[in-house]
Amino acid sequence: DTEVTQTPKHLVMGMTNKKSLKCEQHMGHRAMYWYKQKAKKPPELMFVYSYEKLSINESVPSRFSPECPNSSLLNLHLHALQPEDSALYLCASSSKGLGPWNGYTFGSGTRLTVV
Amino acid sequence: SQQGEEDPQALSIQEGENATMNCSYKTSINNLQWYRQNSGRGLVHLILIRSNEREKHSGRLRVTLDTSKKSSSLLITASRAADTASYFCATQDDKIIFGKGTRLHILP
Repeated sequence: DTEVTQTPKHLVMGMTNKKSLKCEQHMGHRAMYWYKQKAKKPPELMFVYSYEKLSINESVPSRFSPECPNSSLLNLHLHALQPEDSALYLCASSSKGLGPWNGYTFGSGTRLTVV
Repeated sequence: SQQGEEDPQALSIQEGENATMNCSYKTSINNLQWYRQNSGRGLVHLILIRSNEREKHSGRLRVTLDTSKKSSSLLITASRAADTASYFCATQDDKIIFGKGTRLHILP
């Protein structure tokens, strides 16, 4: 398995809703990442998990809450989002520290719309 | 910031022609990577070039790196319609930072 799987592919939520994005990989990668991408912009790093521990938080608002329950799974919990949070949310993983470095493997993303 | 800056921002060429995109960055790097993104989809890793390498090939892709000028170029030879996408360079320290990207459109 050489994929990163993100669910759901599309999500529409209200500003008072609570929802979660899920990311899964079975490549044995021990580093996982959340990126946010607005239209026609590059991906912007949000969080980095290394060996299931949060190692980088790029000053992301607390309405975004990451969780790494195990080495294969990464969640992003969403609560009280704003319309400007609408974006493509990308998950990625890498073999950081284990074997040759071959770049990141990205999932296809979750297209989030906040109404 | 190590963010790369791609040039041009957008490029349209005829199918079969070569496409060249450039990337400049600001600080020293361990490696530089190029990614492709089809519209609204995830990014695909294309090629990585290490700071001690000057040129690398992968199929129709050729990447060069000039650390003295803090620049890299991506050449796609014999372009195809399927090459239509956005291309990002990315520099890596303890995390990957993406450049602004070049939107490539291959005309039939």
